[in-house]
Amino acid sequence: QVQLQESGPGLVKPSQTLSLTCTVSGGSISSGDYYWSWIRQPPGKGLEWIGYIYYSGSTYYNPSLKSRVTISVDTSKNQFSLKLSSVTAADTAVYYCVQLGVVGAFDIWGQGTMVTVSS
Amino acid sequence: QSALTQPPSASGSPGQSVTISCTGTSSDVGGYNYVSWYQQHPGKAPKLMIYEVSKRPSGVPDRFSGSKSGNTASLTVSGLQAEDEADYYCSSYAGSNIHVVFGGGTKLTVL
Repeated sequence: QVQLQESGPGLVKPSQTLSLTCTVSGGSISSGDYYWSWIRQPPGKGLEWIGYIYYSGSTYYNPSLKSRVTISVDTSKNQFSLKLSSVTAADTAVYYCVQLGVVGAFDIWGQGTMVTVSS
Repeated sequence: QSALTQPPSASGSPGQSVTISCTGTSSDVGGYNYVSWYQQHPGKAPKLMIYEVSKRPSGVPDRFSGSKSGNTASLTVSGLQAEDEADYYCSSYAGSNIHVVFGGGTKLTVL
C-alpha cells in the first residue's frame, strides 16, 4: 500500500522560501500511473490545490500561485518537492502531499505538515 | 472565495439521509465527469469517498452515493451514523488551465 510522508521546516520567515519534501513508500513514483500533488489547508479553512507533477517532470500549477511555486521530482529517491517563494502569513497552512490517481481523484494523502509563516 | 459552492453546514438524525450540493459551472462540474468528494475528520487528512461523480473506492460504505445534474453535483449519505459527522469537500477537474477546483466544504452534523 502506497504511503506518503511530508517533511520540512514547520516555521518559515516572511519573504523566505517554504520548502517541503514528500517521500513515497510502497510504490514507485516512476510507475507512470499517477500525478504527485500538493494541496494545502489554512487553519479553519478549506482545501486549495497547489499543483502536481508527473514523474517525467511535467508540472501543472494553480494559476493563483504559479508565479511563486516550483514542484520537482527526484525519481532516484522516490520523492517530490514543493518550493513556495516570498511567503506571507497567508501561506500558513497544513500542507499535504497527495497521489492523484488515474481516475482523476486524490486517492492517497499524506498525514499533512503544518507550516507557519512568522518572524 | 472557493470556485465550487457548497452549503456551509448540513445535518440529520441517525438513520436519516442527507444530501450535500456542490455547484460549479459548465467549465468544471458541468463539463467533466471528474467530480470527487472527500471526508475530513478533525485533525485528519481528507479521505476520498466518491470519484468520477458516482463511483466508490473500495472500502467506502455504499451509504455514500454521488450524482450530478448540469453544473451541480451532490453527495448523499444514507442511514446516517455518528461517525459520518465530518467536513465534506467536493472537487472537480476544470480544464487544462485551472485543472483542479475545490468547494469550500460542508460541515455535516449528526444530531
